Amino acid sequence: NAGVMQNPRHLVRRRGQEARLRCSPMKGHSHVYWYRQLPEEGLKFMVYLQKENIIDESGMPKERFSAEFPKEGPSILRIQQVVRGDSAAYFCASSPTQTYWDEQFFGPGTRLTVL
Amino acid sequence: KQEVTQIPAALSVPEGENLVLNCSFTDSAIYNLQWFRQDPGKGLTSLLLIQSSQREQTSGRLNASLDKSSGRSTLYIAASQPGDSATYLCAPRVDNTDKLIFGTGTRLQVFP
Repeated sequence: NAGVMQNPRHLVRRRGQEARLRCSPMKGHSHVYWYRQLPEEGLKFMVYLQKENIIDESGMPKERFSAEFPKEGPSILRIQQVVRGDSAAYFCASSPTQTYWDEQFFGPGTRLTVL
Repeated sequence: KQEVTQIPAALSVPEGENLVLNCSFTDSAIYNLQWFRQDPGKGLTSLLLIQSSQREQTSGRLNASLDKSSGRSTLYIAASQPGDSATYLCAPRVDNTDKLIFGTGTRLQVFP
């Protein structure tokens, strides 16, 4: 059973470009979470999605960031018009059900560098 | 607002020692708490999950305890090995939310 998969593992963008980060949850998992780890900081929650629904986006920046988890395919975190401050490691996690005692399993992350 | 503190921030020990990593959190209303390890440049590996109704969980040389009312969790590592070198993160899941709140971690180095 493959774990949570993220691609690309490393992404380099110039200021003003768009970044698209993909996350495929573990098989049988329908809940996806995105977290961001800025340099020398802890991981911070960004957004929680179920298939076709955003459940909690309280950690998402108000502008330029969006996330989706379509009925088919991976979850996508999209950052428009990237700035240097977006450089970070972005981690995706998944869990199987909606129960609050579920364990979250993390992917290897996408390291975004904005030049 | 939940805040998580981990002490010590860094620890360097010879192999074979038994270790104690501490985690404290300000909001005791949690569903569960996970301990992770993170290797440099890598993702997070889940080590242990403790439900709010549990006092401790064990996996191999690892034992995690939870004192929810006092807002504390402790990770014990027995007979440490160089392969245990990593950053250890604790993350409680606050009631009525879906998010894990992470501490800044304890950076552990075990030398031969």
